[in-house]
Amino acid sequence: QVQLVESGGGVVQPGGSLRLSCAASGFTFSTYGIHWVRQAPGKGLEWVAFIRFDGNNEYYADSVKGRFTISRDNSKNTLYLQMNSLRAEDTAVYYCAKDQEGGTPAFDYWGQGTLVTVSS
Amino acid sequence: QSALTQPRSVSGSPGQSLTISCTGTSSDVGGYNYVSWYQQHPGKAPKLMIYNVSKRPSGVPDRFSGSKSGNTASLTISGLQAEDEADYYCCSYAGSYTWVFGGGTKLTVL
Repeated sequence: QVQLVESGGGVVQPGGSLRLSCAASGFTFSTYGIHWVRQAPGKGLEWVAFIRFDGNNEYYADSVKGRFTISRDNSKNTLYLQMNSLRAEDTAVYYCAKDQEGGTPAFDYWGQGTLVTVSS
Repeated sequence: QSALTQPRSVSGSPGQSLTISCTGTSSDVGGYNYVSWYQQHPGKAPKLMIYNVSKRPSGVPDRFSGSKSGNTASLTISGLQAEDEADYYCCSYAGSYTWVFGGGTKLTVL
């Protein structure tokens, strides 16, 4: 069955960096686009970034553009999110989510999330 | 990339039907037939309930249905059940490989 498992969250100071990982299994990772979506404590969902199946194109929300970088290693079935210049407002649970079957722009499987806390 | 507008909360009794609205603009909801809806129980990951405005993934009960008119999409839940109590989020493709979510609606089953 499809599984997405995030890791790498933790506490980091403002201005610091963190790299999240998302290990995928149960589907052909190299044929699907993957997203990062975050949820601040007690708040709603926010789309963060998307990378196409082959890793050749990346797209970002304005709130993270220039600070975050999404990447993937199809040989390791793993997605990454490099987060630099972190701010308090980046504090959130970060989910990776798979593109819907058939390339429809929806998220059909989600990981359990990893918590990032930006605090001094 | 402004969030889509949803009511903060809705409530209904078991067996009733209710509808959650999701209002965007012609650049997102009104411009594409790519609205999706997600159910999220406390402490859990979101679950896809509706995609492409009105399609249900395998395993989602047919009590859940979606529609769209202009810049507003809607999720209707008929025959409300206790397990439907959760937060619901709409999401729309917004062009150029970007997506926007709604602020979320807390559904309470009375």
